[in-house]
Amino acid sequence: AQKVTQAQTEISVVEKEDVTLDCVYETRDTTYYLFWYKQPPSGELVFLIRRNSFDEQNEISGRYSWNFQKSTSSFNFTITASQVVDSAVYFCALINAGNNRKLIWGLGTSLAVNP
Amino acid sequence: DVKVTQSSRYLVKRTGEKVFLECVQDMDHENMFWYRQDPGLGLRLIYFSYDVKMKEKGDIPEGYSVSREKKERFSLILESASTNQTSMYLCASRHSGGYTDTQYFGPGTRLTVL
Repeated sequence: AQKVTQAQTEISVVEKEDVTLDCVYETRDTTYYLFWYKQPPSGELVFLIRRNSFDEQNEISGRYSWNFQKSTSSFNFTITASQVVDSAVYFCALINAGNNRKLIWGLGTSLAVNP
Repeated sequence: DVKVTQSSRYLVKRTGEKVFLECVQDMDHENMFWYRQDPGLGLRLIYFSYDVKMKEKGDIPEGYSVSREKKERFSLILESASTNQTSMYLCASRHSGGYTDTQYFGPGTRLTVL
């Protein structure tokens, strides 16, 4: 079975703190892709990153970084020096050839960055 | 930049009304999707379309239908709206280069059925 778990429902931090959002996935496929999306209060889902199962290199984009570890089936997302504009719900998702090739979504982590 | 637009940000309808939610994308994407998002349930796929005039049921198609007459437009239809269809509706599109390609989302329509 395929599944994505975001165990942290809500996180609250103070501006400039670093914060890590956890994502653990389950799949039997060896080929799969993982995604992170951001949903600010306006509601639109904004694509952040896509990573395939054969590329375990960590990714950094400005204050954002992603740590992909196949050994623990995790694809964690870290925001360094958080800002109020980072306040949003963040979703992790998985797609592979199974499950009719549909995105499997985590339930999201709501991040509040307080001034 | 990929642009996906939805006809309304907020919509209020009465029980029993026929409701149309429109989605338009400007990137010539073949695949389009409709999701609904509810607290505690996350995103759930209602219907998707691989190409014009093609449609496939997602995980929760009951009470909904769709129409894809033109490549850029994907409509979600609630034949007879019910209160349990009050939700956030999100449209997405994707290039059909592969199922692993990124889905890009519109701003969402928050529908309230009274």
